Amino acid sequence: EAGVTQFPSHSVIEKGQTVTLRCDPISGHDNLYWYRRVMGKEIKFLLHFVKESKQDESGMPNNRFLAERTGGTYSTLKVQPAELEDSGVYFCASSPGANSYEQYFGPGTRLTVT
Amino acid sequence: AQSVTQPDIHITVSEGASLELRCNYSYGATPYLFWYVQSPGQGLQLLLKYFSGDTLVQGIKGFEAEFKRSQSSFNLRKPSVHWSDAAEYFCAVAPTDSWGKLQFGAGTQVVVTP
Repeated sequence: EAGVTQFPSHSVIEKGQTVTLRCDPISGHDNLYWYRRVMGKEIKFLLHFVKESKQDESGMPNNRFLAERTGGTYSTLKVQPAELEDSGVYFCASSPGANSYEQYFGPGTRLTVT
Repeated sequence: AQSVTQPDIHITVSEGASLELRCNYSYGATPYLFWYVQSPGQGLQLLLKYFSGDTLVQGIKGFEAEFKRSQSSFNLRKPSVHWSDAAEYFCAVAPTDSWGKLQFGAGTQVVVTP
């Protein structure tokens, strides 16, 4: 069974540009989560999808971040326009069904904004 | 405010020695508790979890953790570390009423010396 995959593994962009991160969850997992770790800080929750619906987006930092999960499969996280403080590692995770607490994480995308 | 504390940012341990990583939480009710490990270049892997029941939890790779309600702690232990245990370890909690939203500690980097 394939794990959670994320693309790209590393992205370097200039301030003001747009970047789109992609996450493919484990097949059949209804729940998809995005987290972010800014350098030197804790891993922070961004949002939680149940199928294609946003269950909880309380961790999204501001309206420059847009997450989508069309068709309840893969998800994208777009940052537009990127700022320096957006640099960090973005993790995606998935879990099977309702009340499934065990989340399976991808390797992360390292975003560097210069 | 709800919090998860890993007081040790960095620990160095000799191969074959025992390891204990500390985790304390501050929540209104006992949350669900997890330990994750991130090896270089890898995603976060779940080592073990505690939901209820026996307060000593066995996990993968020879790790165990003990839940102590009176101390609001969930410390991770391994009797004898191997060089492959060098990694970053994260304690995480999930409120029982917000199951999709993991809150992480800052992480403990473990270095294993020969």
